[in-house]
Amino acid sequence: GQQLNQSPQSMFIQEGEDVSMNCTSSSIFNTWLWYKQDPGEGPVLLIALYKAGELTSNGRLTAQFGITRKDSFLNISASIPSDVGIYFCAGLDNNAGNMLTFGGGTRLMVKP
Amino acid sequence: EPEVTQTPSHQVTQMGQEVILRCVPISNHLYFYWYRQILGQKVEFLVSFYNNEISEKSEIFDDQFSVERPDGSNFTLKIRSTKLEDSAMYFCASSDGSGPSEQYFGPGTRLTVT
Repeated sequence: GQQLNQSPQSMFIQEGEDVSMNCTSSSIFNTWLWYKQDPGEGPVLLIALYKAGELTSNGRLTAQFGITRKDSFLNISASIPSDVGIYFCAGLDNNAGNMLTFGGGTRLMVKP
Repeated sequence: EPEVTQTPSHQVTQMGQEVILRCVPISNHLYFYWYRQILGQKVEFLVSFYNNEISEKSEIFDDQFSVERPDGSNFTLKIRSTKLEDSAMYFCASSDGSGPSEQYFGPGTRLTVT
């Protein structure tokens, strides 16, 4: 099956710093989604990307759909303590059905 | 803001017992999904459901699993005879008719099989 490699696995940063995480795949996806998961809760959709090269922002979050359609990154600017959580990328290949393939997650910790 | 809801939040059951996990998707959504997440691992797709039938299922979704939309609002996942390895968080998700892409997740049901 399709695999998504997400890195880094974890990050421990100072409040106010910018953060970057990315996902790579051996196969093409038509859609990239980024989710945030807090402990004991479900993933919350942050950003959806539909076109290769697309750059989309949601407040302090910016995500890009890689031009090869095999990667995506998420940036968080000026991190704050409530950014703490696990961030997951997820890819959708419309030619392979409507199931999301998730990355392994990036655990973000922010020191006030 | 509309959201996906799930009940119960936590279910403890003995091995071999049947469990039914319940979900109420967002009301105008047409595509429904179940995913699971074993503790500390990534979220894995189980099944998708559209127009009252299964549209996709993964290898995990074997004969022990079934889904149903018994009425206009609920979407259920049944595990017929639970095993220890079924212990996980189970998430329901839904998306609207404009395409299956943006999937919105519920808070999950933690299933513990003893």
